[in-house]
Amino acid sequence: AQKITQTQPGMFVQEKEAVTLDCTYDTSDQSYGLFWYKQPSSGEMIFLIYQGSYDEQNATEGRYSLNFQKARKSANLVISASQLGDSAMYFCAMRELPLGAGSYQLTFGKGTKLSVIP
Amino acid sequence: GAGVSQSPRYKVAKRGQDVALRCDPISGHVSLFWYQQALGQGPEFLTYFQNEAQLDKSGLPSDRFFAERPEGSVSTLKIQRTQQEDSAVYLCASSLVASTNEKLFFGSGTQLSVL
Repeated sequence: AQKITQTQPGMFVQEKEAVTLDCTYDTSDQSYGLFWYKQPSSGEMIFLIYQGSYDEQNATEGRYSLNFQKARKSANLVISASQLGDSAMYFCAMRELPLGAGSYQLTFGKGTKLSVIP
Repeated sequence: GAGVSQSPRYKVAKRGQDVALRCDPISGHVSLFWYQQALGQGPEFLTYFQNEAQLDKSGLPSDRFFAERPEGSVSTLKIQRTQQEDSAVYLCASSLVASTNEKLFFGSGTQLSVL
């Protein structure tokens, strides 16, 4: 089973509008972290926002907020007041506690391509 | 430099050639990761180093893939006898420590094309 599911291959949003990008995850761990990254056409992955499994409040970073619903295992990204520069691929990722001396690797979803329309 | 640096930015190889991809992590970062990203897909984990120790290589697709970080800073990913299915972007990432809440800083990647 996929650990991270992003069901929207592509999304369009009008400039200055808000948009929600969906992410669901699968884990049996109690302690884990959820991340969102942006990947513009230049290729570099840019960190946007982080939510810990024990955090009681939804994370916010400027125009980005994370709608965390633990019982539903969802961690949707909300971008407010979209800008043309927001057009990019967006990846949801999860980090679980490793077994033993493991790697703390991030596991990524397949991504959502966001296009902002002027 | 201030960020993670990868070289070369682009690499074209003939099938069967060996290639070496370099990653310069952020200075002082303990953890270093290699990821493979196929076109239109999310990054897939390859291997992880904590300082010079390779603690996890479970994602390496075959024994043709080899990675090292001998002095705990610069890392090299080597692919021997390249195949067409190795064509992808190879991303390197580093983080200061190893913990669930530590974000990864990524380089711009090396785009490998095997002809």
